Amino acid sequence: EVQLLESGGGLVQPGGSLRLSCAASGFTFSSYSMTWVRQAPGRGLEWVSRITWTGTGTYYIDSVRGRFTISRDNSKNTLYVQMNSLRVEDTAVYYCATGRNANWDSDAFHFWGQGTMVTVSS
Amino acid sequence: DIQMTQSPSTLSASVGDRVTITCRASQYLSNSLAWYQQKPGKAPKLLIFEASSLVSGVPSRFSGSGSGTEYTLIISSLQPDDAATYYCHQYKGYIESSFGQGTNVEIK
Repeated sequence: EVQLLESGGGLVQPGGSLRLSCAASGFTFSSYSMTWVRQAPGRGLEWVSRITWTGTGTYYIDSVRGRFTISRDNSKNTLYVQMNSLRVEDTAVYYCATGRNANWDSDAFHFWGQGTMVTVSS
Repeated sequence: DIQMTQSPSTLSASVGDRVTITCRASQYLSNSLAWYQQKPGKAPKLLIFEASSLVSGVPSRFSGSGSGTEYTLIISSLQPDDAATYYCHQYKGYIESSFGQGTNVEIK
């Protein structure tokens, strides 16, 4: 059974940093692109960042480029996002998600974690 | 960037009604279009992928159709458990994907 478990969320002041993790199990993690999706309180879903299965390709939405860094450790079956220079508007539930097709660059998100809440506030 | 326009933003319907939600893309998607259901406090759940493929275990009252830039999610007979927010999602973009704004479905 595929499982994705996010952790690392919390309260941080504007300008601060946070690193989120997503522990994966139940599939060959190293063969799948992974994505972070966020949802601000009362708002819709927003694609944030994606990393290819090798880790050599990383992509970001404009509003986080230069502040967030996505990475993965295939030996630990774990996805990360390092979030620096956090802003109030980064406040959201952050989900990790993946598809069902190995070695695909674009796929529907068949599997989601439960999400971790990030609150940026003074 | 591919922009997704989803409508309506809210709809209220009775049990047994046929419900239609539409997504329009700014570029051709080649059927790289998915639909999700989300209930409060929960992660989204995939219902439909590749525009019309039903995920195993999803009730057959849900269906997807469309092509090119316009896609539709249909609930053929609305049930109380279908009260939720529904999102379309394009994943054709190699660099990034994007979601529609969501449709909140209420039961009258």
